Amino acid sequence: EIQLQESGPGLVKPSQSLSLTCSVTGYTITSGYDWSWIRKFPGNKMEWMGYISNSGSTNYNPSLKIRISITRDTSKNQFFLQLNSVTTEDTATYYCARLTWGWFAYWGQGTLVTVSS
Amino acid sequence: DTVLTQSPALAVSPGERVTISCRASESVSTLMHWYQQKPGQQPKLLIYLASHLESGVPARFSGSGSGTDFTLTIDPVEADDTATYYCQQSWNDPTFGGGTKLELK
Repeated sequence: EIQLQESGPGLVKPSQSLSLTCSVTGYTITSGYDWSWIRKFPGNKMEWMGYISNSGSTNYNPSLKIRISITRDTSKNQFFLQLNSVTTEDTATYYCARLTWGWFAYWGQGTLVTVSS
Repeated sequence: DTVLTQSPALAVSPGERVTISCRASESVSTLMHWYQQKPGQQPKLLIYLASHLESGVPARFSGSGSGTDFTLTIDPVEADDTATYYCQQSWNDPTFGGGTKLELK
């Protein structure tokens, strides 16, 4: 069974960087598919942030392109999100998910990140 | 970006049929997918490619549409279906609708 689990700080100060880890079990991230980060803002708006492919290439939401980086550690079967220069508007629940030919079939449970001083 | 528009909320009685709509700002062919999200849980895939039922999802759920207009139907609605439903397109970079909150009377 494929499982994804997010981890990382729940509180980040404005202007700092947000860093999250997604640990994947039950499937090797280099075997196929694209591995995404998605966030849900207070008020229910959902935003796809970007993905890293099974080959290691990346694709980012243009609205985040100058602030976002998605990387991976294949030895640990993990991928990572770094979002720089955060503001209070980056407060959201962050999900990692597997992008399967266009749809998100597997999701982590999500982790709430609050940006506040 | 392809903008997806959903009605914000619906209220129905158990046993009724409900349709949840999603309109795209441009044609996305059949590259539309539907999710259910309950409070405190991650989204759950219900329908992919407009009309294909995800494995394990009850047959009470169905999807239809192509181009710019899509519908998720639940028939009959059960109490456990109280949730927010999202559409998502994959014609270009993924975008989501604003969600439709389904409440039961």
